Amino acid sequence: EPEVTQTPSHQVTQMGQEVILRCVPISNHLYFYWYRQILGQKVEFLVSFYNNEISEKSEIFDDQFSVERPDGSNFTLKIRSTKLEDSAMYFCASRSQGSGANVLTFGAGSRLTVL
Amino acid sequence: QKEVEQNSGPLSVPEGAIASLNCTYSDRGSQSFFWYRQYSGKSPELIMFIYSNGDKEDGRFTAQLNKASQYVSLLIRDSQPSDSATYLCAPRTGNSGGYQKVTFGIGTKLQVIP
Repeated sequence: EPEVTQTPSHQVTQMGQEVILRCVPISNHLYFYWYRQILGQKVEFLVSFYNNEISEKSEIFDDQFSVERPDGSNFTLKIRSTKLEDSAMYFCASRSQGSGANVLTFGAGSRLTVL
Repeated sequence: QKEVEQNSGPLSVPEGAIASLNCTYSDRGSQSFFWYRQYSGKSPELIMFIYSNGDKEDGRFTAQLNKASQYVSLLIRDSQPSDSATYLCAPRTGNSGGYQKVTFGIGTKLQVIP
């Protein structure tokens, strides 16, 4: 069964460092998403991406965050200068195009720990 | 007002019983409703979706939707210990251009007691 792949599974970084989280969406999917989940809290929407541009971003997704699809297969989330409060599980999701109740398929997540 | 409201629980039910999970939402533009299951430390996993008023059954799971009341529920029959997880209610919104977004509630933690 097709799956969304995320790397790394866990990254530990020092405050102020840049982090790049990588995702390989399902191959025929066209819409891409990043969500995050701080420990014990809900899964929060960060950003959605379609046709090489951001479709929507939440107020969490400030200037420290950026996304890109550098090579047609990878979808990355960059945090330029990490803060302690960026420690969370980051989930990538993708879905195909079309009407109907399209399902968002989630990757296993990347756990980011900022020290 | 929160976009999606769920009782965080924990909801404890004995093995074999029916678990009833409830959710209310604020956006009347929500088109479809997803129930995801999330085991601790894992990613959300789709259980089922519903987009029409009424009931939808899939195995031991039944989703119920009432758009007038902005209410959606999930019933799990013959609950098993393996059903112990957090259940996330997720309304989907979107536009005519094909854009869609899923917004999650805090989730209800279900504990099935053997």
